[in-house]
Amino acid sequence: EAGVVQSPRYKIIEKKQPVAFWCNPISGHNTLYWYRQNLGQGPELLIRYENEEAVDDSQLPKDRFSAERLKGVDSTLKIQPAELGDSAVYLCASSLRVNEQYFGPGTRLTVT
Amino acid sequence: SQQGEEDPQALSIQEGENATMNCSYKTSINNLQWYRQNSGRGLVHLILIRSNEREKHSGRLRVTLDTSKKSSSLLITASRAADTASYFCATANLNDYKLSFGAGTTVTVRA
Repeated sequence: EAGVVQSPRYKIIEKKQPVAFWCNPISGHNTLYWYRQNLGQGPELLIRYENEEAVDDSQLPKDRFSAERLKGVDSTLKIQPAELGDSAVYLCASSLRVNEQYFGPGTRLTVT
Repeated sequence: SQQGEEDPQALSIQEGENATMNCSYKTSINNLQWYRQNSGRGLVHLILIRSNEREKHSGRLRVTLDTSKKSSSLLITASRAADTASYFCATANLNDYKLSFGAGTTVTVRA
């Protein structure tokens, strides 16, 4: 069974540019998470979806970040415009049952 | 904000030795989980211990939980080079199981 797929794996952009990350969760997993992991830190939750509904977006910087999960499957996380402080690894995870999150490999974003 | 704090931040051991790392947290939890992250990769779930459990084993892993001290430990026995990774503890909220991760312990196993 395929795991969580994320693309791209790496992205380098200049500040003020937009960027988007894509995630395909494990088939059948109705819960999807986006995390941000800064260098030397653990992941921090940005947003959690139950099917199409964002049930926890309290940590998502809504002035520049947006996310969507159309049809309750794939999800896209967007930053517009990117700032230097957005450089991090963006991780997507999915789960069928609570307490069992499966993580993708992440997208390493570098903003110059 | 990150609830868990791992100690030590980094650990270097010889192959075959045991590695122990600790995690402290601040608020009551439903459960505590340990994850491994190899360089440039996603996190892999290792083990979950519920708040009413005190010890759990999985292969070469042993996890303890002391809710009175709000702390947990992860022991890796007979370490191998493949155990080189960062290890994170994550606590699950009582109400919504939301995970809060610590900053991790980086373990290097020398051949």
